[in-house]
Amino acid sequence: DTAVSQTPKYLVTQMGNDKSIKCEQNLGHDTMYWYKQDSKKFLKIMFSYNNKELIINETVPNRFSPKSPDKAHLNLHINSLELGDSAVYFCASSQEPAGYEQYFGPGTRLTVT
Amino acid sequence: KQEVTQIPAALSVPEGENLVLNCSFTDSAIYNLQWFRQDPGKGLTSLLLIQSSQREQTSGRLNASLDKSSGRSTLYIAASQPGDSATYLCAVPGTGGYNKLIFGAGTRLAVHP
Repeated sequence: DTAVSQTPKYLVTQMGNDKSIKCEQNLGHDTMYWYKQDSKKFLKIMFSYNNKELIINETVPNRFSPKSPDKAHLNLHINSLELGDSAVYFCASSQEPAGYEQYFGPGTRLTVT
Repeated sequence: KQEVTQIPAALSVPEGENLVLNCSFTDSAIYNLQWFRQDPGKGLTSLLLIQSSQREQTSGRLNASLDKSSGRSTLYIAASQPGDSATYLCAVPGTGGYNKLIFGAGTRLAVHP
């Protein structure tokens, strides 16, 4: 059984479009995260939610809006896509916000043309 | 501000060698340290989590040590195999009390037969 899953795996779209990436975890964890891995392979935190509440927002443009309908889901909606948004986006989860192991999803490769 | 450095950036070795991957971090006030493996085009797989109170953790041929006072961790891989080829990432929680992971740039490992 997949612990942390993301859809879609690949996303190719044009500049200016709006797109969403979905994430689900079946681990019963309270905390979920979005990370971005850019073309140089650096991984950086974007957002974190704990029990559906936003607890980390790392100076991400307002075009990015996370939504957590319940503890098991954290979706990422991106408005007005730009070329620089091309990256791999990873969802992760942990039992609680601090001190616990994080489990990552397979990633969504977003390409903006 | 927490920063993580990994040395070497890349490593190419023949099968069977024992390997040492290094990770250093600037802020020693960490809850834990996590080592990940990333295969090309894939997600992150958690290898080992060392809590701040521990000195080392072992899983199969992998052994990770932690020296908080000096801001260092080392990942030992015994009797390397071609299947160990991947990028190895070290991550520690950022400052602020939440588990937003700060990643190093990784060590790209190639083990050839």
